Amino acid sequence: KAGVTQTPRYLIKTRGQQVTLSCSPISGHRSVSWYQQTPGQGLQFLFEYFSETQRNKGNFPGRFSGRQFSNSRSEMNVSTLELGDSALYLCASRRTGAQETQYFGPGTRLLVL
Amino acid sequence: LAKTTQPISMDSYEGQEVNITCSHNNIATNDYITWYQQFPSQGPRFIIQGYKTKVTNEVASLFIPADRKSSTLSLPRVSLSDTAVYYCLVGDPNSNSGYALNFGKGTSLLVTP
Repeated sequence: KAGVTQTPRYLIKTRGQQVTLSCSPISGHRSVSWYQQTPGQGLQFLFEYFSETQRNKGNFPGRFSGRQFSNSRSEMNVSTLELGDSALYLCASRRTGAQETQYFGPGTRLLVL
Repeated sequence: LAKTTQPISMDSYEGQEVNITCSHNNIATNDYITWYQQFPSQGPRFIIQGYKTKVTNEVASLFIPADRKSSTLSLPRVSLSDTAVYYCLVGDPNSNSGYALNFGKGTSLLVTP
């Protein structure tokens, strides 16, 4: 079974631009979560989508948004990029809940100049 | 979400048993304890999950005392390839509001010959 895939793997943007990252979950998985990882803050939860609805949200500004499509694929958007948004963005999927573990993708490394 | 505390770093020699302890004093009744492993530039990988007492799989063991306020991940006979960051997480995977994973900064394990 194919794992979680994320595109693109690497991205360079400049301050003020916006960016969209994509995540395709494991087939049959309906929950997709997004995380930001930086050396200073570690791995922080952004939000979780389940059946096209955001059902949990971390403590990030409104510049960070996401959505999920009917095929469970998810996109994350960051508007008005700041230097501090440079990070590894990870996506994770799981089927639904019930003690199921999350499976992570390889991440998208974003560099904001 | 229950907060977890674990050592920032640990060192070990190859072939030794490594025990990483995590404190979670505010763990809730429905919370499970999950451990993940992360190699550089990769997404975290599930290692083991438990609710109480002891859980063992082919990779590790997880010891949880009766009060559940802490847990210990035990890695038997570590090798160089076990050098990674290990995260302890506490949460309710059955929560209707979603399952937000707070990874924190984890424990950086360095295994040397």
